[in-house]
Amino acid sequence: NAGVMQNPRHLVRRRGQEARLRCSPMKGHSHVYWYRQLPEEGLKFMVYLQKENIIDESGMPKERFSAEFPKEGPSILRIQQVVRGDSAAYFCASSPFPGGGYGYTFGSGTRLTVV
Amino acid sequence: AQTVTQSQPEMSVQEAETVTLSCTYDTSENNYYLFWYKQPPSRQMILVIRQEAYKQQNATENRFSVNFQKAAKSFSLKISDSQLGDTAMYFCAFMKHEGEGSQGNLIFGKGTKLSVKP
Repeated sequence: NAGVMQNPRHLVRRRGQEARLRCSPMKGHSHVYWYRQLPEEGLKFMVYLQKENIIDESGMPKERFSAEFPKEGPSILRIQQVVRGDSAAYFCASSPFPGGGYGYTFGSGTRLTVV
Repeated sequence: AQTVTQSQPEMSVQEAETVTLSCTYDTSENNYYLFWYKQPPSRQMILVIRQEAYKQQNATENRFSVNFQKAAKSFSLKISDSQLGDTAMYFCAFMKHEGEGSQGNLIFGKGTKLSVKP
């Protein structure tokens, strides 16, 4: 089992470009969570998705950010028109059932740098 | 709203010694989970230990154990026989237990940077 796979590991974008971050959950996991880690901070929840559904996006900025988890393929976190403040590490986690009470499995994150 | 506080930004310990990392949290919930995650320089978030609030017995995982004081809303992590590989950021995290269909959002503290010295 390859674990939660995130790519790319590092992503550099110029201000105004789009950033697309991918997350493949562990085999058999249909629940995906995205978190953002700013420098010197803990992770902060952004969005929770099940296959083809957004369950909770209360932590996601209302503009420029979107997420999807299609029936086939990885979950995608998309940031349009990136700004310097979007520079952070973005983590994906997955679980086989709702709630994650047994603790998620996290990926290694994507470090986004906006120049 | 729930909050998690880690009051020690940095700590260090000698190899083979014992160290305790502090964590307090604020919640009005009665049923919840608490976690400690380790983040080494590789950036991978690794689950160290988990505690269910309704269980009075403190969780242990090999060299890692917790001191869970529900009334005081305290959840400290003790690392015994510290090893060089324990050097990492350690994050305390809280999750509400909302039953079936729980959203399962983790709320993290800001972390404690632990250095194990040879």
